Amino acid sequence: QKEVEQNSGPLSVPEGAIASLNCTYSDRGSQSFFWYRQYSGKSPELIMSIYSNGDKEDGRFTAQLNKASQYVSLLIRDSQPSDSATYLCAVTDDYKLSFGAGTTVTVRA
Amino acid sequence: NAGVMQNPRHLVRRRGQEARLRCSPMKGHSHVYWYRQLPEEGLKFMVYLQKENIIDESGMPKERFSAEFPKEGPSILRIQQVVRGDSAAYFCASSPAAGHGDSYNEQFFGPGTRLTVL
Repeated sequence: QKEVEQNSGPLSVPEGAIASLNCTYSDRGSQSFFWYRQYSGKSPELIMSIYSNGDKEDGRFTAQLNKASQYVSLLIRDSQPSDSATYLCAVTDDYKLSFGAGTTVTVRA
Repeated sequence: NAGVMQNPRHLVRRRGQEARLRCSPMKGHSHVYWYRQLPEEGLKFMVYLQKENIIDESGMPKERFSAEFPKEGPSILRIQQVVRGDSAAYFCASSPAAGHGDSYNEQFFGPGTRLTVL
């Protein structure tokens, strides 16, 4: 069983602050790493993908990958109330996504 | 550009009935995946299909569950003789490719079907 662990929430941050989300995975063969955002009662929405070590930035989101440490993170800069959601980390070595339990983020206005 | 489509969005069945869930992938995507999200649990892989082929059904319960992706039409997830424990959100995802360590295997999710078994 491939394990994906995320830092337990909920995570509450003030508007405009940085939200930091962490994820570790057990399978060293994992090649692809994703962050999904899921609003309550809705489906997961892909917000970031990362495949090689280092940082990848897209707007207010930055994903960081360290394969040696089996660690992937997501930073949300200038957090907005609309960022309040559950963030799911997903990893795969082929096509089968293994998801973490998610971290719920609340952005306080 | 339409995304992944699923229907119905909500489905209510009594114990022992059949549930049939449909999924149409994004245009240009030939790889379809089904995931299940049980209440208070994470998303779990069920099955991966390409047109007319089941590639991996390792996440599907051995009994009562089946899936298909015919040459024409949507992918179907079928649950026979439903039980209360089948109540969950069932999500379909699609990707243009699979098994590559690049953006071609990004999976995009449909809105889901929320199944309630009475």
